Amino acid sequence: ILNVEQSPQSLHVQEGDSTNFTCSFPSSNFYALHWYRWETAKSPEALFVMTLNGDEKKKGRISATLNTKEGYSYLYIKGSQPEDSATYLCAPLFGGNNRLAFGKGNQVVVIP
Amino acid sequence: GAGVSQSPRYKVAKRGQDVALRCDPISGHVSLFWYQQALGQGPEFLTYFQNEAQLDKSGLPSDRFFAERPEGSVSTLKIQRTQQEDSAVYLCASSGHVGGYTFGSGTRLTVV
Repeated sequence: ILNVEQSPQSLHVQEGDSTNFTCSFPSSNFYALHWYRWETAKSPEALFVMTLNGDEKKKGRISATLNTKEGYSYLYIKGSQPEDSATYLCAPLFGGNNRLAFGKGNQVVVIP
Repeated sequence: GAGVSQSPRYKVAKRGQDVALRCDPISGHVSLFWYQQALGQGPEFLTYFQNEAQLDKSGLPSDRFFAERPEGSVSTLKIQRTQQEDSAVYLCASSGHVGGYTFGSGTRLTVV
C-alpha cells in the first residue's frame, strides 16, 4: 500500500488570499506526480504532470513544486478566487506501475 | 468522443440489487482504469485494462465486483448483490500514452 498524504485535508480561504498545501509520498521508485483539480459533479481536471526533482510548473494563479528526493510537492494558489473552490488531488506514479496512487485530496473553499 | 463518458451519472440501488456502470473512453485510448472514491477518501484503484485484456484486478474489493472490456473500447463495471459499503463515486479514466490520463465525471452509486 502506497502512503500518499495530503495536508491540510480541508481549508477555508478568504477571497484574495494566497494559500498552499502539501502532498507527501514515498520517494523510492518515483516516476511522476500528477495534480488534479476536482469540482463536484465534474471530471477531475489535470493541472500538472511533474517528473524532475526541482520541477516548478505554473498555470495561471496556480503553481506547483516537486522534491523527489524527500518525496513531497507543494501546490500554491495565489490570490484565491471563488472559482478555485474544489478538491485538489495529488497522485504519484511509481516505476513499473501505470496506476495512479491518490491522496485523499485538499478540499479548498474560497469565501467571497 | 471528446472526453470520457460515464453512465449513469447517479444510481440508487437497493441492497442486494445488481448494478452495471458504463465507461466510454476516448476513442483509440488503449488503457482504461476504474477507481472507487468513498466519502472522505481519495480515489482507490480497482482494475486496469490494456485493450480488452484485464491486466490488473488487484483492487477489486470482493468477488461481487466484475469488470469487462470485451472489444477494447467500452467497459462495464458490474457489482452484484450491492452492499451499503459499495456506496461511492466510481471513476473511469483512459490513457493513450504513459502519463496522460483523462477522467470521466464518475457515477455516484448510493446503496440504500
